[in-house]
Amino acid sequence: AQTVTQSQPEMSVQEAETVTLSCTYDTSESDYYLFWYKQPPSRQMILVIRQEAYKQQNATENRFSVNFQKAAKSFSLKISDSQLGDAAMYFCAYRSARGGGGADGLTFGKGTHLIIQP
Amino acid sequence: KAGVTQTPRYLIKTRGQQVTLSCSPISGHRSVSWYQQTPGQGLQFLFEYFSETQRNKGNFPGRFSGRQFSNSRSEMNVSTLELGDSALYLCASSRTNRDYGYTFGSGTRLTVV
Repeated sequence: AQTVTQSQPEMSVQEAETVTLSCTYDTSESDYYLFWYKQPPSRQMILVIRQEAYKQQNATENRFSVNFQKAAKSFSLKISDSQLGDAAMYFCAYRSARGGGGADGLTFGKGTHLIIQP
Repeated sequence: KAGVTQTPRYLIKTRGQQVTLSCSPISGHRSVSWYQQTPGQGLQFLFEYFSETQRNKGNFPGRFSGRQFSNSRSEMNVSTLELGDSALYLCASSRTNRDYGYTFGSGTRLTVV
């Protein structure tokens, strides 16, 4: 079974600075997707960024970028120019690309609580 | 366009009762997945439906069941509620069961007393 580990339960950063959230995963598969989701107090999970494992290039979405190291099974999220609205729980998630039956679904890490200091 | 709609937002039930939660996906999305979120276990996959068929199921007891209707709306049912079933239940939709561009709803907060 796949596992996702987020080793930082909580991170704090000054507004306008850069912060990196860590995520490692364990899988024996070669084809999969990785995600970062943000969950603010409103409870809705919002997709921040997505990475296909077969792509060498790191995904980027505006101020959010990832460092995907497939061999090391590492998938960190960098938030540049942090804003107060970035404060939330951030979850790293894994999804097998093989599809079909079984227990496939998103496997989530435990989350990192990101605090933005004004 | 409207997002994923989950009803009700909050629910309080008594141990031993059963409960039904509803999820309306984004228009055009035909796959619906359900997740349970608790402080202790985190986010766990319950099941996924596509074209009215359950495609995947997580490691939950048979008390947890679901279904999907022809209009892609989905319901999940929990029978014989236990205190440990208290959780936030999140629904996510995507275009197909091979499209992993999930959009989540705001969840139903279930409290079992």
